[in-house]
Amino acid sequence: AQTVTQSQPEMSVQEAETVTLSCTYDTSENNYYLFWYKQPPSRQMILVIRQEAYKQQNATENRFSVNFQKAAKSFSLKISDSQLGDTAMYFCAFQGAQKLVFGQGTRLTINP
Amino acid sequence: GAVVSQHPSRVICKSGTSVKIECRSLDFQATTMFWYRQFPKQSLMLMATSNEGSKATYEQGVEKDKFLINHASLTLSTLTVTSAHPEDSSFYICSARDHGVGRYNSPLHFGNGTRLTVT
Repeated sequence: AQTVTQSQPEMSVQEAETVTLSCTYDTSENNYYLFWYKQPPSRQMILVIRQEAYKQQNATENRFSVNFQKAAKSFSLKISDSQLGDTAMYFCAFQGAQKLVFGQGTRLTINP
Repeated sequence: GAVVSQHPSRVICKSGTSVKIECRSLDFQATTMFWYRQFPKQSLMLMATSNEGSKATYEQGVEKDKFLINHASLTLSTLTVTSAHPEDSSFYICSARDHGVGRYNSPLHFGNGTRLTVT
């Protein structure tokens, strides 16, 4: 079974700083996708970024980028120039052949 | 973009009654939908995978007779919480995968969730 581990329950940084959220996963599958989702207080799940396992190049979306280390099964999210609106729960997720599995989440707070 | 509509957004019911939650894909067809449950300040836990035209696949520890799932069409899945009890109070979220997109190519599209309170 796949597992996703986020070892940082909470993080807090000042506005405009850079922050990195950690995620590791375990799987025996070779083809899969990895995602970071954001869940603000509204509880809507918002896709932040995704990474195909077969691609070596790290995905980037504006201020969001990932560091994907396939051999180490690591998938961290870097948020640059953090903004107050980035305050939310962030979930790392693994999608294999069948289902999407989430990590425990990291509560990120951006302070003014 | 792909939209998943989940209804109702909030529901309060009495113990012993049943509650139905609907999940609709509005602009795409979804052969597979997923139902998650989220307790306060916790992650999303997959309850079951809903397959159009066939029986749902439940995760270990989820009572299939308690949480009835029906996926009668390519755009609608329903979750019925039967004989609800206060411990069933939670946030339930559905998601759907676009039928027309490859399995690994498409992220799931999420509904806005349903907050169930059983009194």
